[in-house]
This record gives sequence, C-alpha cells and structure tokens, in this order.
Amino acid sequence: LAKTTQPISMDSYEGQEVNITCSHNNIATNDYITWYQQFPSQGPRFIIQGYKTKVTNEVASLFIPADRKSSTLSLPRVSLSDTAVYYCLVGEGGRGSTLGRLYFGRGTQLTVWP
Amino acid sequence: EAQVTQNPRYLITVTGKKLTVTCSQNMNHEYMSWYRQDPGLGLRQIYYSMNVEVTDKGDVPEGYKVSRKEKRNFPLILESPSPNQTSLYFCASRGQGRDYGYTFGSGTRLTVV
Repeated sequence: LAKTTQPISMDSYEGQEVNITCSHNNIATNDYITWYQQFPSQGPRFIIQGYKTKVTNEVASLFIPADRKSSTLSLPRVSLSDTAVYYCLVGEGGRGSTLGRLYFGRGTQLTVWP
Repeated sequence: EAQVTQNPRYLITVTGKKLTVTCSQNMNHEYMSWYRQDPGLGLRQIYYSMNVEVTDKGDVPEGYKVSRKEKRNFPLILESPSPNQTSLYFCASRGQGRDYGYTFGSGTRLTVV
C-alpha cells in the first residue's frame, strides 16, 4: 500500500492560490491519486481524483507529473472557509486486494488568514 | 438524500462492556470502511468491506470486529472496549465508480472509562 508524505501545515491569506504537494514514491501502476478535505469534527469530503496530467473541477485542480511520484492540489483564491485538513491518498488501483484499502496519513492543516 | 448514517453520535461506556456502532448507507454502495481519528495520528483504517460477506483488516484492527451481512449495513463491534479505544470513529462508503470518492458519516465520538 503506497504511503504519502505531505507538509504538516501551511498558511495562506484570503484570495491567494494555494498549492499543496504530496509525495508518493511507491505509487503502483494502477493507483489513483485522491484528495479529501476535512473540517473539525466532520468526516472527510472528497475533493478531486486523478491518474495523470491535470484534472480540474469546480473547486480545485490536481497536477500529476509524468512519473506520478508526486501530485499537487491547487486551490484557487482561497477563503477563510477553506481552512481545513487536506489529505492525499494513493490506491484503489482497480483490481485485487488494494480495492477499499486506503491510507489517509496525517494530512496538511491549511490555515487561511484574513 | 444520499448519506451514510452512524449511530450513536456520542457514547460514553465502561471498560469491558460490549458495544456496537452502527453504520448504514442508502446509496447501494459496494465498499464500506471504518476509520478512527486521534489527535496527531490522522485517520487510520480499522476494517473495510468490498461487498457482502467480504471484509478485511486495515491498519488498526486489534480490538474490533465487523460484519457485512447486508449491503447497506456495516456495524463496528467492540467486544471488550478499553480506554485506548477512546476516539472519533468514521464510517464511509463508495460505489464501484471512483469519480466521487468515499462518502463519510458524521462520526461517533466514543469515550471508554
């Protein structure tokens, strides 16, 4: 099961773009990269998922280089309500016993200041 | 409304008294999972299930049991709770398609004294 490394914390100001990078050197060929957001005392919420290159949705973009050993979650123009813990996950490669097996780690605490 | 429902939300119990935390989803999801969250340790997977009668251990299964007799339900059982199982617990489910990731419940805060 591929594990990930993220910064423990990051700070930003309202209106700025925030990039959180995750390292996953042991990613398997079929693994996907998924990011979740968690507010205090709430369950995590799915943000975005990708396999390679770039994925964009209404809340974030995910950049994945060709070697797939890292990924970057980009949050455009953050607001105070984006203050949360962000988790990077790798897994769910499509077949076999890794399906359902997820490693969240400690995540990155993002604090947005006014 | 599509959701994962956990009960109870809060529970205080005594050491050794068996308890069950229920988890139910109304989305016909195949995959279900239990996590515990402790300060400084993030979310750790306890058990997961890929379908009815198919379960497997996560990172911290000791002291817990699960069952998946029906697709919608995935209860977490603590046969003999101990104080080190005091934690915030989350249940989650996902369908076959990955597009929207896991849906998490609201959590169960368990205190074992």
